[in-house]
Amino acid sequence: KAGVTQTPRYLIKTRGQQVTLSCSPISGHRSVSWYQQTPGQGLQFLFEYFSETQRNKGNFPGRFSGRQFSNSRSEMNVSTLELGDSALYLCASSLSLAREQYFGPGTRLTVT
Amino acid sequence: DAKTTQPPSMDCAEGRAANLPCNHSTISGNEYVYWYRQIHSQGPQYIIHGLKNNETNEMASLIITEDRKSSTLILPHATLRDTAVYYCIVPSTSPQETSGSRLTFGEGTQLTVNP
Repeated sequence: KAGVTQTPRYLIKTRGQQVTLSCSPISGHRSVSWYQQTPGQGLQFLFEYFSETQRNKGNFPGRFSGRQFSNSRSEMNVSTLELGDSALYLCASSLSLAREQYFGPGTRLTVT
Repeated sequence: DAKTTQPPSMDCAEGRAANLPCNHSTISGNEYVYWYRQIHSQGPQYIIHGLKNNETNEMASLIITEDRKSSTLILPHATLRDTAVYYCIVPSTSPQETSGSRLTFGEGTQLTVNP
């Protein structure tokens, strides 16, 4: 069974731009979570979607948003990029809520 | 999430068992203990989870104390590829929070397997 896939794998943007990252969960998984990893803050939870509804949200500004489609694929968007948004963005899928999560390889975002 | 405490680093010889401890003294009766690991620059990898009983899968064994206040992840025959940061996580199942799978990652334990 294919794992979690994330596209693109690497991205370079400039301050003020916006970016959209994509995540395809493992087949049959209905929950998708997003995390941000930076050297200073470690791994931090962004949000979780299940059945196209946001079920949980971390402590991030409104510039960070996401959505989930009917096929469980998910996208996250960051608007008005700041230098501090440079990070590895990780997507994880699980069969349902409160179950073990399987992570993708991440998207490395660099904001210049 | 229940707070977890792990040693910052551990070393293990290749081929020997690696025993990674975790304290979670504030764990509630219905909260599971999860273990993940992250190899440098890769996404975290789920290892195992448990509630009360000891668990074993193809990757590792999880030993949970009877009072559930601590646990130990055991890699029976560590290899160089097991060098990674290991995270012990107890996700909250508080009814005040929206049900979900939020994971709170701490600093974890950097396990280094030496040849």
